[in-house]
Amino acid sequence: DAKTTQPNSMESNEEEPVHLPCNHSTISGTDYIHWYRQLPSQGPEYVIHGLTSNVNNRMASLAIAEDRKSSTLILHRATLRDAAVYYCILRTDSWGKLQFGAGTQVVVTP
Amino acid sequence: DAGVIQSPRHEVTEMGQEVTLRCKPISGHNSLFWYRQTMMRGLELLIYFNNNVPIDDSGMPEDRFSAKMPNASFSTLKIQPSEPRDSAVYFCASSLGSEGNYGYTFGSGTRLTVV
Repeated sequence: DAKTTQPNSMESNEEEPVHLPCNHSTISGTDYIHWYRQLPSQGPEYVIHGLTSNVNNRMASLAIAEDRKSSTLILHRATLRDAAVYYCILRTDSWGKLQFGAGTQVVVTP
Repeated sequence: DAGVIQSPRHEVTEMGQEVTLRCKPISGHNSLFWYRQTMMRGLELLIYFNNNVPIDDSGMPEDRFSAKMPNASFSTLKIQPSEPRDSAVYFCASSLGSEGNYGYTFGSGTRLTVV
């Protein structure tokens, strides 16, 4: 399975954007890029996913590099409730299973 | 939509006892996954099912662990006999399909403590 690399932690001020990078240099053409987050004492929560094009939803935006070897999750205005561990994961197109890494701990300060 | 439902939320048991964790996936989802989370090892995939059939159980730690999915709306993860090192939070997740274009929905987890 292709691996991803994320920073261990990032800090942001409330109401400012947060850009979370993810490197996946060994990604294959059929791998989807998924992002999940896990708030304290809760199960992981789906955030967004994409294949080649940038994606937007009510939670976040996903910017995918043209060569697909990296991507960035964008939280447009961080709130205290966005403090969580964010996981960037590749899911293969067939029988794809999510293998979680260590993720990025996002700290939001008032 | 009630989401993925797991029971019990908390389980405390003595070493050597049998433990059964339960999961009800979202109706219509045909893929189901069991994960375990500890501070030391993070989130580990134990087993996953597609259309009630186990596809990959390579993450099951040892023979003491077994999982079943008798129908599309129910799955169990059983540990017999339980050991203190099995203490963890166990999550169940379901997905609309096995392809990469589908996201997972996780349950709230079962916190297992083996004393």
